[in-house]
Amino acid sequence: NAGVTQTPKFQVLKTGQSMTLQCAQDMNHNSMYWYRQDPGMGLRLIYYSASEGTTDKGEVPNGYNVSRLNKREFSLRLESAAPSQTSVYFCASSERRGGVYGYTFGSGTRLTVV
Amino acid sequence: AQSVTQLGSHVSVSEGALVLLRCNYSSSVPPYLFWYVQYPNQGLQLLLKYTSAATLVKGINGFEAEFKKSETSFHLTKPSAHMSDAAEYFCAVSFAGGTSYGKLTFGQGTILTVHP
Repeated sequence: NAGVTQTPKFQVLKTGQSMTLQCAQDMNHNSMYWYRQDPGMGLRLIYYSASEGTTDKGEVPNGYNVSRLNKREFSLRLESAAPSQTSVYFCASSERRGGVYGYTFGSGTRLTVV
Repeated sequence: AQSVTQLGSHVSVSEGALVLLRCNYSSSVPPYLFWYVQYPNQGLQLLLKYTSAATLVKGINGFEAEFKKSETSFHLTKPSAHMSDAAEYFCAVSFAGGTSYGKLTFGQGTILTVHP
């Protein structure tokens, strides 16, 4: 009953470095999402994947890429990190039942770019 | 496009006082509405959700919210605040069908402070 697992929990990068944030869910959900959280701005959608094999841009996709490796895993990649990408990143998954989506969030990755 | 506005980035109440956190949404189709709570350095926890079954929704920890279509609002209330309610609260909206794919749109968040 792990739900949504994100790794790592904390990361410090230097400007220009690259890294991949990992996300895995064990609930057999079709849809997965990456959000970033910044003070005073709530959570903003970076990318989402409606189902295995598909991905699409959200509200703030610039500087990021994603991969839906299989139904369980949805990774977020920063190719060349910038200080503006300092944020807390949340992965989520959802399934639609009876017309209503139910969501499960990971515990977050706190990323600092110096 | 859907949007959510939370009125008041900070709300301060005394312990035992009424908690009222405001949320307004804009949408051209019937929405699903959610309230989440986030305690410091933690993830998001669902408080309650509106899915068109009933306009008054009761959630965990004594919170409730009322969907008012005419006012496009979904305000969160609790009759008596407790110190443990101090946290940040997020209102969010999603839609079924079409190309929504369940994407959640969040408000900016409201930090609730509870004074002894």
